[in-house]
Amino acid sequence: GDSVTQMEGPVTLSEEAFLTINCTYTATGYPSLFWYVQYPGEGLQLLLKATKADDKGSNKGFEATYRKETTSFHLEKGSVQVSDSAVYFCALFTGNTGKLIFGQGTTLQVKP
Amino acid sequence: SQTIHQWPATLVQPVGSPLSLECTVEGTSNPNLYWYRQAAGRGLQLLFYSVGIGQISSEVPQNLSASRPQDRQFILSSKKLLLSDSGFYLCAWSPGSAGVFFGSGTQLSVL
Repeated sequence: GDSVTQMEGPVTLSEEAFLTINCTYTATGYPSLFWYVQYPGEGLQLLLKATKADDKGSNKGFEATYRKETTSFHLEKGSVQVSDSAVYFCALFTGNTGKLIFGQGTTLQVKP
Repeated sequence: SQTIHQWPATLVQPVGSPLSLECTVEGTSNPNLYWYRQAAGRGLQLLFYSVGIGQISSEVPQNLSASRPQDRQFILSSKKLLLSDSGFYLCAWSPGSAGVFFGSGTQLSVL
């Protein structure tokens, strides 16, 4: 079945460091891909998305490119801030089933 | 614009008591609806999803059930709560490939 695999955390970085959180997926058909962010004590917010191969989603300095050849959707940010500390979830959506499947989440801690 | 309402925000229930969590969506019609659970320090588990009124798909066997009595209403229920039902429950809706949008969640503690 469809699945999403994220790199294990926690990821601890210093402020202004470069961030990469790896995400790979397995899916039949052509899923849409998403990154969600969950700040402490809150629900999930959609961070960015890509609906087809080679699309790049971007928001708040974060970027991810839909790579069909490597079945990946890695999240990147050039310079992280303390306020970016949160749990990040990669997810895929398959229109034929209507399901949104999440990875296990990666905790990011940014230290000043 | 579309909004999703989920209540209550927190709930403390004794073991063996019933449960009813309600979620409604405004500003759209025929959305896909979802219930997820997030155990402490863990990822998101899809519990139920619905593509239409009365159409419920269950992802994992468990002590919970879901119903969709109206197009934009999704209810999560249990007849008798277990300790293992504690967690953070999230309702969500989707118009399709544009994404899935979440409610603010319900923190359920079963004691």
